[in-house]
Amino acid sequence: EAGVAQSPRYKIIEKRQSVAFWCNPISGHATLYWYQQILGQGPKLLIQFQNNGVVDDSQLPKDRFSAERLKGVDSTLKIQPAKLEDSAVYLCASSSEVLYGYTFGSGTRLTVV
Amino acid sequence: AQKVTQAQTEISVVEKEDVTLDCVYETRDTTYYLFWYKQPPSGELVFLIRRNSFDEQNEISGRYSWNFQKSTSSFNFTITASQVVDSAVYFCALAGGTSYGKLTFGQGTILTVHP
Repeated sequence: EAGVAQSPRYKIIEKRQSVAFWCNPISGHATLYWYQQILGQGPKLLIQFQNNGVVDDSQLPKDRFSAERLKGVDSTLKIQPAKLEDSAVYLCASSSEVLYGYTFGSGTRLTVV
Repeated sequence: AQKVTQAQTEISVVEKEDVTLDCVYETRDTTYYLFWYKQPPSGELVFLIRRNSFDEQNEISGRYSWNFQKSTSSFNFTITASQVVDSAVYFCALAGGTSYGKLTFGQGTILTVHP
């Protein structure tokens, strides 16, 4: 089975610019997650979708971050405007149920200069 | 709230030594799942193991073994006869509550195995 696809793999932008990341989960996985991993830390959940509805976005900085999952399949995470502290790896993951685990994509490494 | 603590930030060993990575968790859920992931320098998260809260049997997979103790809320990971290829960051994680619970990660332990 194909894994979780993410693009781009790397992105460098200047502060105050906007950026978007794309994720295509494993076919049939109802739940999709976006995690932020700052260098030297564990991944932190930004937002969780169940089909195309938001389950948890309590840690999403909503003044600058937004995410959508149209049609309950692929998802886009946007940052506008970016700050230096947004430099991190953005990981997308999907699952059918916790019992069956989670599959992570390779991530997008964002550098804000 | 859920919390995962990995007390060891970095561990350095010489090849063939055994090494144990500690993980302590906190949760109010009665049903939960514990995970270990490996993150090599390439960055992807590699799944190692998943245990549910009702199964306290220890597990061995090749050189890897896991010790789950509910009484102390610990889920420790041991690598026997470590190899250079084991060098990576290892994360312990917890998912609880519903069937679609989010993963809460620890801070990670950087393991360096020297030849």
